[in-house]
Amino acid sequence: EAGVAQSPRYKIIEKRQSVAFWCNPISGHATLYWYQQILGQGPKLLIQFQNNGVVDDSQLPKDRFSAERLKGVDSTLKIQPAKLEDSAVYLCASSSRDSKANVLTFGAGSRLTVL
Amino acid sequence: DAKTTQPNSMESNEEEPVHLPCNHSTISGTDYIHWYRQLPSQGPEYVIHGLTSNVNNRMASLAIAEDRKSSTLILHRATLRDAAVYYCIRGGATNKLIFGTGTLLAVQP
Repeated sequence: EAGVAQSPRYKIIEKRQSVAFWCNPISGHATLYWYQQILGQGPKLLIQFQNNGVVDDSQLPKDRFSAERLKGVDSTLKIQPAKLEDSAVYLCASSSRDSKANVLTFGAGSRLTVL
Repeated sequence: DAKTTQPNSMESNEEEPVHLPCNHSTISGTDYIHWYRQLPSQGPEYVIHGLTSNVNNRMASLAIAEDRKSSTLILHRATLRDAAVYYCIRGGATNKLIFGTGTLLAVQP
């Protein structure tokens, strides 16, 4: 089975610019997550989708971050305008609706550097 | 709030067993105990999960205390490729998985 695909793998931008990350989850996985991982820390959940609806976005800085999953499959995470502290790896994960334990499969991540 | 407590780092020798401890004293009755690991420059990788009983799979074993307030991930024979950050997480279908800082496992040849 194909894994969770993310792109781009690396992105360097200057502060106040915008950036977008794309994620394609495992086929059939209804739940999709975006995590932010700052160097030396564990992943922090930004937003969780169930199909194309938002379940939890309590940790998403909504003044600059936005995410969508229009058709319940692919998802895009956007940052506009970027700040220096947004430098991190952005991880996408997905899980099956049938998983009582909620086992996640992660992508390799998109590393963002803000200069 | 990760709600689990793990040592910051541990060391092991190659081909020896490794026991990674985790405390989750406030775990609810419906929370599963998950273990993920993260190799350098990769996303976290699922290792194992359990609810009440001990669990085994091809990667590891999970020993869960009878009161469920702690658990131990067991790697039966550590290899150099097992060097990673190991995360112990509590959660389930209705509770989001919150990662802490994990345990950095170093494996010496």
